[in-house]
Amino acid sequence: DAGVIQSPRHEVTEMGQEVTLRCKPISGHNSLFWYRQTMMRGLELLIYFNNNVPIDDSGMPEDRFSAKMPNASFSTLKIQPSEPRDSAVYFCASSWGQSIQPQHFGDGTRLSIL
Amino acid sequence: DAKTTQPNSMESNEEEPVHLPCNHSTISGTDYIHWYRQLPSQGPEYVIHGLTSNVNNRMASLAIAEDRKSSTLILHRATLRDAAVYYCILRDGNAGNMLTFGGGTRLMVKP
Repeated sequence: DAGVIQSPRHEVTEMGQEVTLRCKPISGHNSLFWYRQTMMRGLELLIYFNNNVPIDDSGMPEDRFSAKMPNASFSTLKIQPSEPRDSAVYFCASSWGQSIQPQHFGDGTRLSIL
Repeated sequence: DAKTTQPNSMESNEEEPVHLPCNHSTISGTDYIHWYRQLPSQGPEYVIHGLTSNVNNRMASLAIAEDRKSSTLILHRATLRDAAVYYCILRDGNAGNMLTFGGGTRLMVKP
């Protein structure tokens, strides 16, 4: 079975540019999560969706970040405009059902803002 | 959220058992104990979870103290591929789906 698929795997861009990260969750999963990992702050939850609806976006750093889930098989995380401090590895994860169910993570997008 | 405390790092020899401890003295009755691991350059990977009883699966065993204030993840025979950061996380069975990651334990496996 295909796991969570993220694209691109690596992104290097200049500050001020718009960055769009993409995620395809595991088919049948109804919860989707975006995390960010840095050396300084570790793994942090940015936002999560349940049945395509954003449930908790309290982890989104600021208005430059936005996330959408137009359907059950696709989500995007957008940063506009990007800044060097946004450089990190961004992970998408999906799960099914209740909170005790395991989350399945993608391999991440390594983002570098110059 | 109830917090967990783990050692920053541990070492093990290949093919020997590894016991990774986790303290969670403020655990509530509805908190499940979850373990994830993160191999180098990969996303976190679910390992195991439990509530009160010890649990076994193909990857590991989870031993939960009777008072639930601590738990131990047991890898029965460590391999080089088990070198990773291991995260112990409490998840409220009645609340949202979020995972709150701490610093975890970096396990190093020596050949």
